[in-house]
Amino acid sequence: DQQVKQNSPSLSVQEGRISILNCDYTNSMFDYFLWYKKYPAEGPTFLISISSIKDKNEDGRFTVFLNKSAKHLSLHIVPSQPGDSAVYFCAASAQLRGGADGLTFGKGTHLIIQP
Amino acid sequence: DSGVTQTPKHLITATGQRVTLRCSPRSGDLSVYWYQQSLDQGLQFLIQYYNGEERAKGNILERFSAQQFPDLHSELNLSSLELGDSALYFCASSVATGRILQETQYFGPGTRLLVL
Repeated sequence: DQQVKQNSPSLSVQEGRISILNCDYTNSMFDYFLWYKKYPAEGPTFLISISSIKDKNEDGRFTVFLNKSAKHLSLHIVPSQPGDSAVYFCAASAQLRGGADGLTFGKGTHLIIQP
Repeated sequence: DSGVTQTPKHLITATGQRVTLRCSPRSGDLSVYWYQQSLDQGLQFLIQYYNGEERAKGNILERFSAQQFPDLHSELNLSSLELGDSALYFCASSVATGRILQETQYFGPGTRLLVL
């Protein structure tokens, strides 16, 4: 039973264009969402997060949108650059006990930026 | 560089053996998490330690155990290894003071375990 789903295993985008990565979740207790980027042979690198009390968070070229009613979030990268080519993981947590617990991850989307 | 270190980087062993993976959290972080990334299951949360005590358990097998020491480094012990235990094992850390409700976890580079 996958609680966090990334339905696109891969996505190809031209350099300079917008990359949109999608993520759906089923657990309504999730209240904090994160995006991680991962290169081969490295650990996941934190990119951006959003709390369930917000619907948008922006950091430079990266914006995350959260639609709680649809249990959907998306990561927008504008403009896309060659260095953005990596696997992107969506993760979620439920802060039930006043602190961070284990994250539930999607299976990742491999983003390929074409020159 | 996240500030989280893991050793060894690679480990090759045989079925039935026992191994220990080590993690040092970022300076000041009290909480350590262990994750397993396998080809078919993706990244799965195994266990969390906070300031030396077990705090949360995920999909951790009984053959696996972990501990966090007074200097806050953590070890993940995997015993009676099976072929299916071959995976990447990641450690992450966060401040986890309990006063901050939503914290970011920072990941180490991982240990790649191959069981033959």
